[in-house]
Amino acid sequence: GENVEQHPSTLSVQEGDSAVIKCTYSDSASNYFPWYKQELGKRPQLIIDIRSNVGEKKDQRIAVTLNKTAKHFSLHITETQPEDSAVYFCAAQHDNDYKLSFGAGTTVTVRA
Amino acid sequence: DAGITQSPRYKITETGRQVTLMCHQTWSHSYMFWYRQDLGHGLRLIYYSAAADITDKGEVPDGYVVSRSKTENFPLTLESATRSQTSVYFCASGAGTEAFFGQGTRLTVV
Repeated sequence: GENVEQHPSTLSVQEGDSAVIKCTYSDSASNYFPWYKQELGKRPQLIIDIRSNVGEKKDQRIAVTLNKTAKHFSLHITETQPEDSAVYFCAAQHDNDYKLSFGAGTTVTVRA
Repeated sequence: DAGITQSPRYKITETGRQVTLMCHQTWSHSYMFWYRQDLGHGLRLIYYSAAADITDKGEVPDGYVVSRSKTENFPLTLESATRSQTSVYFCASGAGTEAFFGQGTRLTVV
């Protein structure tokens, strides 16, 4: 089955700086890569996603890049703000069974 | 209420007891999932379902049973609870890509 590895497990950044989280996946048939944000005590919620036919996608301060050859994808958060503090999960899925396999998560802390 | 709801939100049970966690969605999503969340392990898939009466094992299915007789419901049963099953359980549903999560059930096995 799919194996998703995520790094780092914790990340502390100064407010206004950028944060980068990296994930690798094992199954070359995976073609959908979402990122979820989970605030303390809340449910995970989708913040951005990318399909394998796209190399980069942006939505305001967040962006995701995908390198299908190397089987890795990354989340970039620019101009971090205190409300960006949360746990972020990457995931991978392929169309034939729709299973979402998650990474272990990255706890991001934005220091004021 | 529209959306996906889990019940109960909190549950304490004793080792060896059977316990069922409920999940109900109002979107008629075909896919439903059960994940457990433990520190250091992220979200691990227990079981998933592509449609009513179709279920498949995920990454950590041992000790769990699911059923899906109706599209909107996907209960998860721990047949004989063990302390290692103490966790936060999330149900999710989706129609193709994005998965929508319930609010979670915090289960403690004592």
